Amino acid sequence: AQTVTQSQPEMSVQEAETVTLSCTYDTSESNYYLFWYKQPPSRQMILVIRQEAYKQQNATENRFSVNFQKAAKSFSLKISDSQLGDTAMYFCAFMISPGSNYQLIWGAGTKLIIKP
Amino acid sequence: NAGVTQTPKFQVLKTGQSMTLQCAQDMNHEYMSWYRQDPGMGLRLIHYSVGAGITDQGEVPNGYNVSRSTTEDFPLRLLSAAPSQTSVYFCASSYSYSETQYFGPGTRLLVL
Repeated sequence: AQTVTQSQPEMSVQEAETVTLSCTYDTSESNYYLFWYKQPPSRQMILVIRQEAYKQQNATENRFSVNFQKAAKSFSLKISDSQLGDTAMYFCAFMISPGSNYQLIWGAGTKLIIKP
Repeated sequence: NAGVTQTPKFQVLKTGQSMTLQCAQDMNHEYMSWYRQDPGMGLRLIHYSVGAGITDQGEVPNGYNVSRSTTEDFPLRLLSAAPSQTSVYFCASSYSYSETQYFGPGTRLLVL
């Protein structure tokens, strides 16, 4: 079965610090897509970053970057210079390429609190 | 563009009642899906659609029906509400299966 594990239910850091959220997944497929989504208190689900498994280069998006280790099935999210607006639930998810039933597999989430 | 819209934002139902959660997108996306989010868990896929007239079941389809008569709309019907269906429901759409899914603001449903 395909699964996603986020081992940190909650984290808190001071504003401007760097924080890394961990995510591991389990699949026997070789072709898939990985995502980090952010859900602030407003409940809106917002894409943070996306990574294709066939690409070795780690995706970056401004202050957000990932450390993708395919062999270890690890996909951690690093947030640099954290800001108060980064306070949210963060979900890791992946999707298998064609042949699956088009299902995003989600982790349970990490609650991130940025303290002033 | 309004993106993905959902109505209502909040609804209270009594056990056994039926209702339809509305979802619409104006991005001409082929892929649309419905998820439910329960406390302490990730999102779980209820139903999805890969285009008008085509729908399929996700991980937790029991108690829900969907149809897709147009590209824009993808309503979710609760046939006979049960307390176990108390949850937050999200509709999402994307251009293709591997592209970013855009989410609606969610519908909070309470079944008494």
